[in-house]
Amino acid sequence: KQEVTQIPAALSVPEGENLVLNCSFTDSAIYNLQWFRQDPGKGLTSLLLIQSSQREQTSGRLNASLDKSSGRSTLYIAASQPGDSATYLCAVKASSGSARQLTFGSGTQLTVLP
Amino acid sequence: DGGITQSPKYLFRKEGQNVTLSCEQNLNHDAMYWYRQDPGQGLRLIYYSQIVNDFQKGDIAEGYSVSREKKESFPLTVTSAQKNPTAFYLCASTSLRGQTDSNQPQHFGDGTRLSIL
Repeated sequence: KQEVTQIPAALSVPEGENLVLNCSFTDSAIYNLQWFRQDPGKGLTSLLLIQSSQREQTSGRLNASLDKSSGRSTLYIAASQPGDSATYLCAVKASSGSARQLTFGSGTQLTVLP
Repeated sequence: DGGITQSPKYLFRKEGQNVTLSCEQNLNHDAMYWYRQDPGQGLRLIYYSQIVNDFQKGDIAEGYSVSREKKESFPLTVTSAQKNPTAFYLCASTSLRGQTDSNQPQHFGDGTRLSIL
């Protein structure tokens, strides 16, 4: 059974720092990996989706990488801002052919201090 | 604007009562999903549907029921059989673009927080 782990559970950094959030998964047979942002009491917003054939995706100050063989993904946030404060979740989609299989990590709660 | 609307935002359930959470999308998405989120945990799949009048159980379907009579709507009923219903419930949808599997991202509503009275 696929398991997704995100460490650390919480992270606090001063504004302007570059930071890396980590995601690891136990089964490397994935279809894609998504990074989401969740603000308190809200739903999830998709940030980046990396297909299994890709190594990374970029959107603005965000860069996500994928290493399937080692079961790891990182989300790099450049020049962090207080508005980046949120919980970041990663989710992997199994390659079994089912449309349902997204397995989520429990998230990293990020606080960017002004 | 296109999106997913969940209602109500907050819901309270009495002992022995069934309650229904609404999820409507105007994104013309094929697949819809219901997740449950408990504090400090990731999302767990309750039910999903890829097509009208068809749906499948997820990992934690016991005590829940769904219907998919219209493409736009996927209501979730939390029955009295669900003994620990207090959680944040999230509805999501995605376009399959004619394929069973898809590299399209899932889009989420803003959730319904359910509590027991």
